[in-house]
Amino acid sequence: DGGITQSPKYLFRKEGQNVTLSCEQNLNHDAMYWYRQDPGQGLRLIYYSQIVNDFQKGDIAEGYSVSREKKESFPLTVTSAQKNPTAFYLCASRLTGDDGYTFGSGTRLTVV
Amino acid sequence: GQNIDQPTEMTATEGAIVQINCTYQTSGFNGLFWYQQHAGEAPTFLSYNVLDGLEEKGRFSSFLSRSKGYSYLLLKELQMKDSASYLCAVGYNTDKLIFGTGTRLQVFP
Repeated sequence: DGGITQSPKYLFRKEGQNVTLSCEQNLNHDAMYWYRQDPGQGLRLIYYSQIVNDFQKGDIAEGYSVSREKKESFPLTVTSAQKNPTAFYLCASRLTGDDGYTFGSGTRLTVV
Repeated sequence: GQNIDQPTEMTATEGAIVQINCTYQTSGFNGLFWYQQHAGEAPTFLSYNVLDGLEEKGRFSSFLSRSKGYSYLLLKELQMKDSASYLCAVGYNTDKLIFGTGTRLQVFP
């Protein structure tokens, strides 16, 4: 079955360490997105990519980095520069021109 | 700027009807989405409106008025499993989506 896979589901890291969250899709979707969700707040866009080897900053890109070397994969690195990294991270994808965004199951990152 | 408002919490009784409102201000509007999200899980797509009017899908309906920057999600014959957060999201510019903070709905027996 086609879908988006995020791994791991739960991730713990020490403060000051970089960490990479995985997002893989086999839907042949062109566009991929990373969102962050905090309690009491809506999903906020971190980065997005509409084609391979190209990506744009979203509303809260500081302290994060991404790559899009393959259509299927859009990993997100949370760097030590991110001041408050503990959050629920959601990856999504969309076929250009289609209506719906498909979401992965999310990664809950806790930095201690 | 982009802004979406929806109520923070709502409660309803099993079998009843509930309407969740959403108002928005965006530039380059290209559609309004409703998603359902259970705690700790990914949002799942419920509906998409790009033209004014009502879209019906089983127990769920969604309405859009672009001139008023207003949408609502109508849930009929509420079931306990409908207890979740409902996210209003607006597509803008070419391919970006902005989300509201979500409305947490609790359904009681």
